[in-house]
Amino acid sequence: AQKVTQAQTEISVVEKEDVTLDCVYETRDTTYYLFWYKQPPSGELVFLIRRNSFDEQNEISGRYSWNFQKSTSSFNFTITASQVVDSAVYFCALSPFNQAGTALIFGKGTTLSVSS
Amino acid sequence: EAQVTQNPRYLITVTGKKLTVTCSQNMNHEYMSWYRQDPGLGLRQIYYSMNVEVTDKGDVPEGYKVSRKEKRNFPLILESPSPNQTSLYFCASSSPGLAGGGTQYFGPGTRLTVL
Repeated sequence: AQKVTQAQTEISVVEKEDVTLDCVYETRDTTYYLFWYKQPPSGELVFLIRRNSFDEQNEISGRYSWNFQKSTSSFNFTITASQVVDSAVYFCALSPFNQAGTALIFGKGTTLSVSS
Repeated sequence: EAQVTQNPRYLITVTGKKLTVTCSQNMNHEYMSWYRQDPGLGLRQIYYSMNVEVTDKGDVPEGYKVSRKEKRNFPLILESPSPNQTSLYFCASSSPGLAGGGTQYFGPGTRLTVL
């Protein structure tokens, strides 16, 4: 069975703190894709990043960084110097390689609240 | 601007009154999907389509119909809505392939209330 677990239901931080959102996945597939999406209070789902299972390089984009570790089946997301605008629900998701673009298995999401 | 659009954004209806939520994408994507999002249950796939006239069930297809007559459009049909279909609905589109493919881009969502 394929599954994505986001153990942190809610996280509250103060502006400028760093915060890491955890994501652990289960799959028997050797190739797959991992994603992070952001759902701000306005409700839309915004794509943040896609990672192939055969590429374990970490990625940094501005204040965002992602740590993919295949050995621990984790794909964690860190926000550096958080801002109020980062307040949102963040979803980690998994897609089997042969179902890329159709199947997307979501975690339950982590609600991040950043206060000023 | 590349986007997925959904209409209506908000809808309140009554049990049994047929409704259609439209979805359109301008990215020439082959794949399209519908999801529903419910508190405590997260996001679940209803139906997906890999091409015109090719559709398949997702995890929670009961009570829904879809059609894909044109590449850009993928309407969701509730022929006899019931209160348990009250939810936030998302349409998504994607292209296949390795180079950037497989990423699903979502529409803004349709909040449906069935009384």
